[in-house]
Amino acid sequence: AQTVTQSQPEMSVQEAETVTLSCTYDTSESDYYLFWYKQPPSRQMILVIRQEAYKQQNATENRFSVNFQKAAKSFSLKISDSQLGDAAMYFCAYYAYNAGNNRKLIWGLGTSLAVNP
Amino acid sequence: EAGVAQSPRYKIIEKRQSVAFWCNPISGHATLYWYQQILGQGPKLLIQFQNNGVVDDSQLPKDRFSAERLKGVDSTLKIQPAKLEDSAVYLCASSRYVTSANTGELFFGEGSRLTVL
Repeated sequence: AQTVTQSQPEMSVQEAETVTLSCTYDTSESDYYLFWYKQPPSRQMILVIRQEAYKQQNATENRFSVNFQKAAKSFSLKISDSQLGDAAMYFCAYYAYNAGNNRKLIWGLGTSLAVNP
Repeated sequence: EAGVAQSPRYKIIEKRQSVAFWCNPISGHATLYWYQQILGQGPKLLIQFQNNGVVDDSQLPKDRFSAERLKGVDSTLKIQPAKLEDSAVYLCASSRYVTSANTGELFFGEGSRLTVL
């Protein structure tokens, strides 16, 4: 079965510092997407970054970057120069688009990130 | 471009009562999702529509939950009768394609928070 594991229920970082959130997944598929979504308190979930499994280059979006290790099935999110607005719940998600009837988003349990001023 | 609209934002009901949530997706998005998010957990897919057809409702408790998307645009999720364990945030999301190899990206509404007493 496809699963997504986020081993850090809570993390904290000082403003302007760097933090890395961990995510591992289990799949037998070779083609898939991985996502990090951000859910601020009482606000809507938004996509932070996306990684295609066939791409070796790690995705980057401004202060957000990933470390994608396909063989290890690891997909960590690095937030550089953390800002107060980065405080949120972060969800790692896996999406298989070539898996027949199993084509859906599989979600981790989330990591709550606090940013300290 | 207007985002995904959901209402009501908050609802408090007694157990065994009924409740309905409404969602209007982004214009042109064929796929609509209803998720249940219990506090401290990741989203759980309840039902996925493509236009007005159901793609996946395998985790929808059909004895008490129902959902429809009659004209392939907005959707209603109903719970009748509600149980204490239904207390959660109900998220609606939409995407342009069901199985696009380019996205898999979902756009979420702000959610409807249900409290069952």
